[in-house]
Amino acid sequence: KQEVTQIPAALSVPEGENLVLNCSFTDSAIYNLQWFRQDPGKGLTSLLLIQSSQREQTSGRLNASLDKSSGRSTLYIAASQPGDSATYLCAVHPGGYQKVTFGTGTKLQVIP
Amino acid sequence: NAGVTQTPKFQVLKTGQSMTLQCAQDMNHNSMYWYRQDPGMGLRLIYYSASEGTTDKGEVPNGYNVSRLNKREFSLRLESAAPSQTSVYFCASRGTSGSYEQYFGPGTRLTVT
Repeated sequence: KQEVTQIPAALSVPEGENLVLNCSFTDSAIYNLQWFRQDPGKGLTSLLLIQSSQREQTSGRLNASLDKSSGRSTLYIAASQPGDSATYLCAVHPGGYQKVTFGTGTKLQVIP
Repeated sequence: NAGVTQTPKFQVLKTGQSMTLQCAQDMNHNSMYWYRQDPGMGLRLIYYSASEGTTDKGEVPNGYNVSRLNKREFSLRLESAAPSQTSVYFCASRGTSGSYEQYFGPGTRLTVT
């Protein structure tokens, strides 16, 4: 059974700092890994999706990397802003019709 | 292009009442999902529909039923609501080719008293 872990559960950083969020998974047989952002009381917004054949994806100040062999993904946020404050979740997809497994998230607070 | 829509946004039920949560997507996706999100528990899959005409149980199906009405719509029904079903419910959809990117609706906050 796939297990997805996100450490730390919460993180508080001053504005402008570069930061890394971690996602670990136990079964390396994945099709893709998706990073989401969730604001309080809102739904999940897709940030980045990395296919298993890729090593990284970039969108603006966000960069996600994937190392299947070690079962790890990182989300790098450059020059953090208070608007980045949210909970970040990673989700692992095994492919086909199989279900996605979510991590429990990292709650990020960026202090002005 | 509205993506994934859900109704209602909020609902309060008394124990024993029934209700149906509606979900629709306009991305021509084959697969649709219902999740619940509870503090400390993360997202848990209730039911999913891999394609029109099929539904399957997820991790926590007890107390729920689903209907895949057509390719666009996937509803979740609580037949006899219990306080343990107080949660935030999310519907999601995903294509079954290409990137398999998953898209979520805005959620329904349900309170059962």
